[in-house]
Amino acid sequence: DTAVSQTPKYLVTQMGNDKSIKCEQNLGHDTMYWYKQDSKKFLKIMFSYNNKELIINETVPNRFSPKSPDKAHLNLHINSLELGDSAVYFCASSGGQYNQPQHFGDGTRLSIL
Amino acid sequence: AQKITQTQPGMFVQEKEAVTLDCTYDTSDPSYGLFWYKQPSSGEMIFLIYQGSYDQQNATEGRYSLNFQKARKSANLVISASQLGDSAMYFCAMREGNKLVFGAGTILRVKS
Repeated sequence: DTAVSQTPKYLVTQMGNDKSIKCEQNLGHDTMYWYKQDSKKFLKIMFSYNNKELIINETVPNRFSPKSPDKAHLNLHINSLELGDSAVYFCASSGGQYNQPQHFGDGTRLSIL
Repeated sequence: AQKITQTQPGMFVQEKEAVTLDCTYDTSDPSYGLFWYKQPSSGEMIFLIYQGSYDQQNATEGRYSLNFQKARKSANLVISASQLGDSAMYFCAMREGNKLVFGAGTILRVKS
């Protein structure tokens, strides 16, 4: 039983295309996140949703649009892909208490040709 | 300003020995939480251990323990009895509101 699952695991596409990454959690958490890990392994928050509402948007280009149809799902749509978008994208979720860790999906490796 | 600093880009340790991975943080908030995650070469992020700023004792989870020195703003991860499977990237992170702010990570290699 995967707690946080994201699909696809690998995504190879060309510049200018539009693509989506899906994320689902079965932990009953209210808060979900998208993180980006660059080629130097640095991890940075992109977005956070709490119960379907956007609460964090970290100066991400508006080509990136998250959508949360319900609190168990948080999808990421990317328009007009650029070379610099190549990275690993992680979805995560957490409960409401401060000491609860964020549980991460296995990541989606996006490669732009 | 960098909030989480991991000064060791890479570390080696002999199998069965203990190793300490350094982490210092910067915050003016009296209430905060510190987390350590492990990222093996397969890429997933695995939660290891948590330390709250008001916790009186250092956190421990099996072979993992935190050397938490609040006055020095450090939260070093200690791995005892290293195993080959401990070879991975280790990230220190601080909870800031609803998000985690990560350090740059330390690559640990366990030698047999």
